[in-house]
Order: sequence, then C-alpha cells, then structure tokens
Amino acid sequence: DQQVKQNSPSLSVQEGRISILNCDYTNSMFDYFLWYKKYPAEGPTFLISISSIKDKNEDGRFTVFLNKSAKHLSLHIVPSQPGDSAVYFCAASYSGTYKYIFGTGTRLKVLA
Amino acid sequence: EAGVAQSPRYKIIEKRQSVAFWCNPISGHATLYWYQQILGQGPKLLIQFQNNGVVDDSQLPKDRFSAERLKGVDSTLKIQPAKLEDSAVYLCASRAVAEVGWTGELFFGEGSRLTVL
Repeated sequence: DQQVKQNSPSLSVQEGRISILNCDYTNSMFDYFLWYKKYPAEGPTFLISISSIKDKNEDGRFTVFLNKSAKHLSLHIVPSQPGDSAVYFCAASYSGTYKYIFGTGTRLKVLA
Repeated sequence: EAGVAQSPRYKIIEKRQSVAFWCNPISGHATLYWYQQILGQGPKLLIQFQNNGVVDDSQLPKDRFSAERLKGVDSTLKIQPAKLEDSAVYLCASRAVAEVGWTGELFFGEGSRLTVL
C-alpha cells in the first residue's frame, strides 16, 4: 500500500527554467509534508516543508504547494540550476505518531 | 552542531552472515528512525524509537532484523542471517521536539551501504 506516490521517475529541465516535481498521497490524516534532495552516496537533505494548515510555503528558489482536496503537493524550483540535479523525495507525516512515509523519488536532471 | 553519525559506511558480507550498523543521533533528539532504502526505491521505515522505547516496528522483519536503543541515545540495527534482498542502504534519522517554528525536519545520516553476496 503506497501511501505516498511520485509517479514521475525522472525529469529533465533546461538550466534557468522551472522544475515542477509532483507527489500524491492517499491518507487524509497526514498533516506535515516534506521534500528531500539526495545526491549519490549521501543521506537525504531536507529542502522545505509545509503543514496541512497552509497551501504554500516558499524558501528562496523553492516553493511547495499543497492541494488538500486533491491530496497533491508539488515542489517548484525556479530558476533551476545544474547543482539541483539529484533525486527528490516527498514525505508525509502524522503529527500524532511522527511516522514519516516517503515516496519513491523523482530524478531531476538540469541541463546546462 | 554535529549531525547524525552512522557506521560503517560500507559493508560486504556473504548471505547467511550477520552484520550490525550503529547510529548516533543529534544530541537531544529523542526520536530515532531506521530506514531501508533499496536501489530505485524510497526510504522504507523499519523501526521508530522514542527515547529507548519502540513506537513502530511494524515493517521490521523480526525473524532476522533486530534493533535496540538501550540508553535512549545511540542505536544498533542487526541483521542475522542476511539474505540477498537485504542489500540496501540503511539510513538512520533523528527528529527534534515539535515546538514553535518546527519544520518537521528529519535529520539523516549518510547511510550504511550493505551488499550481500
């Protein structure tokens, strides 16, 4: 039962353009959503999060949008840079148990 | 602030052998997680500790995997006997207490890559 899904295994974007990574979830009890970036041979690194009481959170080039009715969140990276090339994971959590469920990841390649 | 420490970084063993991984979370983080990440998949939760108690171990294959966090600080994950399908990166993570301004962030270590031959 995959409660958090990233349906695009890979994405290629030109440098300077917008990257949009998508994530869907099935459990309406999730109330915290996070995005992580992972480089090879390193642990996942936190990028940005959003709580279910918001629909948008921004941090520099990164913006996360949450659509609770559609059970969908997206990460926008503007402008995309070659250093953004990595695997991106979305994760969802219940604040009651603080159990974090991860998606399968999307590999982003930013072309110079 | 020191991050989450894990060791060893790499381990190669034969099937049916045993292996142990160690994790030291960020100081003061009461919640500790072990995740298994198989190549091409997302991290899968194996076990979650709150201090030295288990919160969730529903996906831990208890016939071969065990984990402990005896003093509520560092933790050990053991596999015995290992199978080929246990080849993966084992990630340890810890979490701060939720308070005003908390981002929900899990802090991950660099992981321990296991290859079972």
